[in-house]
Amino acid sequence: QKEVEQDPGPLSVPEGAIVSLNCTYSNSAFQYFMWYRQYSRKGPELLMYTYSSGNKEDGRFTAQVDKSSKYISLFIRDSQPSDSATYLCASPKAAGNKLTFGGGTRVLVKP
Amino acid sequence: NAGVTQTPKFQVLKTGQSMTLQCAQDMNHNSMYWYRQDPGMGLRLIYYSASEGTTDKGEVPNGYNVSRLNKREFSLRLESAAPSQTSVYFCASRGRGTTGELFFGEGSRLTVL
Repeated sequence: QKEVEQDPGPLSVPEGAIVSLNCTYSNSAFQYFMWYRQYSRKGPELLMYTYSSGNKEDGRFTAQVDKSSKYISLFIRDSQPSDSATYLCASPKAAGNKLTFGGGTRVLVKP
Repeated sequence: NAGVTQTPKFQVLKTGQSMTLQCAQDMNHNSMYWYRQDPGMGLRLIYYSASEGTTDKGEVPNGYNVSRLNKREFSLRLESAAPSQTSVYFCASRGRGTTGELFFGEGSRLTVL
């Protein structure tokens, strides 16, 4: 079993819809979590990170962590075609440690 | 502002050939990483270097070697390429004391025939 798992998608939504992405993890040592966005033929870039259970908002993006169920979510409100990308969740087991990545979910936002 | 630069961007090799992927960062970061990305497998760590002069194996090190030439540069070498090493390779760097944000290069697409 991979330590961080995601549904590979693709997840196709119309422009303006809410995109809901999920990630599960198996290792309780994971203390904080990150979402990376990767456009086609580009390297991943950090989108958001969150340290603890609860929500964190940044513009149209909300990251949510439920440590009791080992579940991480990313919501994108008012989705735009420019949000079409692969979204990867990741976590280090401790501060400064190597990141473990999920497989990524491909999102397509259709105009 | 270059960030992390990888060369070459594309390469085709025959089985058994060798090659080196080059990576350089201009952010004065201590840690550098090599990942490979395959469909459905996500990013898997091959090797990393926590600081100049040190290197350690990651999740999938077999068939690869690395050199941390100086603080800026971290190279990945395939001594005898195999078709299973067909992949997209990403170099990344991270500064001291950050929460874990990695800065990635644009990737090197390698095909082994």
